Amino acid sequence: NAGVTQTPKFQVLKTGQSMTLQCAQDMNHEYMSWYRQDPGMGLRLIHYSVGAGITDQGEVPNGYNVSRSTTEDFPLRLLSAAPSQTSVYFCASSTHPQGETQYFGPGTRLLVL
Amino acid sequence: KQEVTQIPAALSVPEGENLVLNCSFTDSAIYNLQWFRQDPGKGLTSLLLIQSSQREQTSGRLNASLDKSSGRSTLYIAASQPGDSATYLCAVRDNDMRFGAGTRLTVKP
Repeated sequence: NAGVTQTPKFQVLKTGQSMTLQCAQDMNHEYMSWYRQDPGMGLRLIHYSVGAGITDQGEVPNGYNVSRSTTEDFPLRLLSAAPSQTSVYFCASSTHPQGETQYFGPGTRLLVL
Repeated sequence: KQEVTQIPAALSVPEGENLVLNCSFTDSAIYNLQWFRQDPGKGLTSLLLIQSSQREQTSGRLNASLDKSSGRSTLYIAASQPGDSATYLCAVRDNDMRFGAGTRLTVKP
């Protein structure tokens, strides 16, 4: 199993540009989520999904959209990038949101100029 | 709103020393608590998961305890090694998953 994979590893954007961060898992996990990690602040939940076709907002959803058309994929879209979205983004998955170990991808480092 | 705090923010110890990392949380209504390790520029690796009904979990030289009523967890690392150098994060799951800011551990040879 590849586990949780994320692409790209690093991206530079200009303010106002859009992009999609890709996340895929091959463990047949129902629960997937996106976090951002900023220095000194730990990880904060952006959006999550409990299964295909179901998504919901986390702690910091503004400026981000998600969709879940398949169990395997959970892309994160930035519609109009802002410098405040400069961060490291992590995707995670688990079999169940409340009782199981979460597995994390390697992260995408995003710089918005 | 659940808040998770980790103390200290950074810790440096000589090789071979036993050490304790602390995690506290404000709302005891949690499903579980998880300890992660993060190496520089890398993702998170799960170390131990403690369900809300459990008091502790052990894996090799690592032992994590949970006192839900007082809102505290500790991660005990025995006989520390330079390879243990990393940032250690705790996270509690209630309706969401809330992370602490982490403790950056350096083990000196």
